[in-house]
Amino acid sequence: DTGVSQDPRHKITKRGQNVTFRCDPISEHNRLYWYRQTLGQGPEFLTSFQNEAQLEKSRLLSDRFSAERPKGSFSTLEIQRTEQGDSAMYLCASSSAGGDTDTQYFGPGTRLTVL
Amino acid sequence: RKEVEQDPGPFNVPEGATVAFNCTYSNSASQSFFWYRQDCRKEPKLLMSVYSSGNEDGRFTAQLNRASQYISLLIRDSKLSDSATYLCAVPRYSSASKIIFGSGTRLSIRP
Repeated sequence: DTGVSQDPRHKITKRGQNVTFRCDPISEHNRLYWYRQTLGQGPEFLTSFQNEAQLEKSRLLSDRFSAERPKGSFSTLEIQRTEQGDSAMYLCASSSAGGDTDTQYFGPGTRLTVL
Repeated sequence: RKEVEQDPGPFNVPEGATVAFNCTYSNSASQSFFWYRQDCRKEPKLLMSVYSSGNEDGRFTAQLNRASQYISLLIRDSKLSDSATYLCAVPRYSSASKIIFGSGTRLSIRP
């Protein structure tokens, strides 16, 4: 399977703990995106990368969230001191930059539950 | 006004019917638009891209109305397997890399 992969698929943690998620994009894609989705809502943009450079970070993203893409391939999203409100599906997408907008393809997501 | 708005539904239609729903957007400069399909507890999957006036793929037709700033998705001869949530996505005005999603329209096809 050469699609976007994410690990883990599910994560249950206690409030206050740190968690880290990994995303492996489609191999030839240079752009990578993180989204958060809660029940009944569409995906909410968190941050984006082109190669190893972070392009944008949502103003809604608190300082407890950080993302990296150190070698321009896989990316990690870390949430420090998790809160119950962080419970959501965290989706990763990738695209091949070209023109003004690229088509984004999503991974299966990591479902986070904060107890 | 939200940047991308969709009627949440649910739309409940019989198998074989034609159903259509709209998505309105606020960025008049947007040049491309996307419809994604999302099954329960799964990731969004690209259904269709729209770069000009519209696009057609089998039973699915997307139409763009720039004057009124909406895109529509039409599904003909609906199948039970079309039951899903349909998400509209539009690039953010100030960023080519940021796409704003609507909340989705739930569609349920009944036998």
